[in-house]
Amino acid sequence: SAVISQKPSRDICQRGTSLTIQCQVDSQVTMMFWYRQQPGQSLTLIATANQGSEATYESGFVIDKFPISRPNLTFSTLTVSNMSPEDSSIYLCSVDSGRALNTQYFGPGTRLTVL
Amino acid sequence: AQTVTQSQPEMSVQEAETVTLSCTYDTSESDYYLFWYKQPPSRQMILVIRQEAYKQQNATENRFSVNFQKAAKSFSLKISDSQLGDAAMYFCAQETSGSRLTFGEGTQLTVNP
Repeated sequence: SAVISQKPSRDICQRGTSLTIQCQVDSQVTMMFWYRQQPGQSLTLIATANQGSEATYESGFVIDKFPISRPNLTFSTLTVSNMSPEDSSIYLCSVDSGRALNTQYFGPGTRLTVL
Repeated sequence: AQTVTQSQPEMSVQEAETVTLSCTYDTSESDYYLFWYKQPPSRQMILVIRQEAYKQQNATENRFSVNFQKAAKSFSLKISDSQLGDAAMYFCAQETSGSRLTFGEGTQLTVNP
């Protein structure tokens, strides 16, 4: 499976500010995904990031709030904009890669706390 | 919309014994993939096992196996010879169109020594 890293691993931010989370993969992948996991909850897909095209957002998530970049096949960023305490969550990136197709592997996650 | 349901918020098992976690899903697709992921306190999502819907044979990975009942849309996970390191939150997930994953609510598994 691919090795995936995320930066930062955790952060504490003030409301109204923005945070950019980075996701790096050790091999080229076509599809990358961003998920949110609110405290005590399951994972919810935010968007799919494909290289060379606009990200595809799920219902309830908008580009102005969660802009995503995908400059190449090994890297993506998710920005959480104009943060509020409700944005406190774990944010995870994943990739569709590896020997087993249609299987997603996850990064270690970024724990975000908004005060 | 795709839905995945895990009806057991918490389960416990004695070390070395067997436990089964339940999962049901709802889809109109005929070809899809199902997964079990494990999330320990470190929050890392770890793939446990994968099942392709067009395969009738149940997937097995060492101590982990599934009981896949396509007609009933049921996908349970059996953990044999439970170990302390198996303690974690377990999520059932279904791959939907565009390779997106829909997750269940999770089952917190405790392993008692």
